Amino acid sequence: DMKVTQMPRYLIKRMGENVLLECGQDMSHETMYWYRQDPGLGLQLIYISYDVDSNSEGDIPKGYRVSRKKREHFSLILDSAKTNQTSVYFCASSLYTGQYEQYFGPGTRLTVL
Amino acid sequence: AQSVTQPDARVTVSEGASLQLRCKYSYSGTPYLFWYVQYPRQGLQLLLKYYSGDPVVQGVNGFEAEFIKSNSSFHLRKASVHWSDSAVYFCAVSGNTGYQNFYFGKGTSLTVIP
Repeated sequence: DMKVTQMPRYLIKRMGENVLLECGQDMSHETMYWYRQDPGLGLQLIYISYDVDSNSEGDIPKGYRVSRKKREHFSLILDSAKTNQTSVYFCASSLYTGQYEQYFGPGTRLTVL
Repeated sequence: AQSVTQPDARVTVSEGASLQLRCKYSYSGTPYLFWYVQYPRQGLQLLLKYYSGDPVVQGVNGFEAEFIKSNSSFHLRKASVHWSDSAVYFCAVSGNTGYQNFYFGKGTSLTVIP
């Protein structure tokens, strides 16, 4: 069963705390993505990972970092979270980059107080 | 620059009516085109995709889209909508060379009135 999972689904943190969002996929996809979704802004690409330890900044990387030590796992880290990082975060994966469709996880709703 | 424009942020239609959601793209190479749907509190799901060949592609749940190269458009259509089609629809474009990223539109929120 092709699946992208995200943990946790909901998270409330205080400003200045560290945040770890985790994503997994069971399709052996090379490429994985982190997006955030805010009302009226659509999806914004934070980071893209082409494979293990091969990551590249997206459109809005400031305030975020990522880690990919295994092909099936991709983590998003917020060091010292800010209130403007309150958002819904989506992880996605695709077989490779380019024309291959992306498979999305269910999202993590993060609130930073 | 590569981009996708969905000119209608919100669309409201009555159940049983036909639907067209508009999408225009700007892409310098050969475009690969996608429509995704997002139901409330869920991730995006692929509705259909166009790579080449017949410009009219069929997707799930009776949706179809037509690639019109001369107009750089990839509009989504459905002959008769159901209330369960209420969702946000995203158009996206990608390519086939190198590390091509996906470019998503901002989405169109569809409300179907029963």
